[in-house]
Amino acid sequence: DGGITQSPKYLFRKEGQNVTLSCEQNLNHDAMYWYRQDPGQGLRLIYYSQIVNDFQKGDIAEGYSVSREKKESFPLTVTSAQKNPTAFYLCASALGGVYEQYFGPGTRLTVT
Amino acid sequence: RKEVEQDPGPFNVPEGATVAFNCTYSNSASQSFFWYRQDCRKEPKLLMSVYSSGNEDGRFTAQLNRASQYISLLIRDSKLSDSATYLCVVNGNAGNMLTFGGGTRLMVKP
Repeated sequence: DGGITQSPKYLFRKEGQNVTLSCEQNLNHDAMYWYRQDPGQGLRLIYYSQIVNDFQKGDIAEGYSVSREKKESFPLTVTSAQKNPTAFYLCASALGGVYEQYFGPGTRLTVT
Repeated sequence: RKEVEQDPGPFNVPEGATVAFNCTYSNSASQSFFWYRQDCRKEPKLLMSVYSSGNEDGRFTAQLNRASQYISLLIRDSKLSDSATYLCVVNGNAGNMLTFGGGTRLMVKP
């Protein structure tokens, strides 16, 4: 079954802790993306990667880090430097930059 | 001007109504256009691509107007299950990246 998976679905952390969100795809897509969505708001781009071992900052990269060591994996770390980390995090993949993106089911992160 | 702009709504319509959303974009060189649907607390899902000649998928029709730089989505015979947020997506000023609009919320009432 081809698709994009994110885990876990819900994640709870204490303030000051780093947390890593998983994103895996078996669609053989080159491009992968991380977005953040706050309640009632649109998608905001955190980081993206067009190819393995390369990634770029999006509009709101501060307090986040990523790696792209394998084509199928693009984990996102939410660091303690992120001021308001509680949000819905969505990962997406695509054949390339101008192609339609396919989303994973998302991870809801709550930091208290 | 925002790269991709949508009326946030909500659009409240009765079942069976026809409803249309517009989305304006700022980059005249944009080549890729899509409509996505996002249900509450779920991920966005591709509804349809938008082609220059316009395209139709059942009750849904998408059109592109390059001269005025907008795309539209028409939903005929609205169903309760059409209630969702509809996202307009365009490859924006960065050229090789897609930009998502803020979404238009549709609520179909019995």
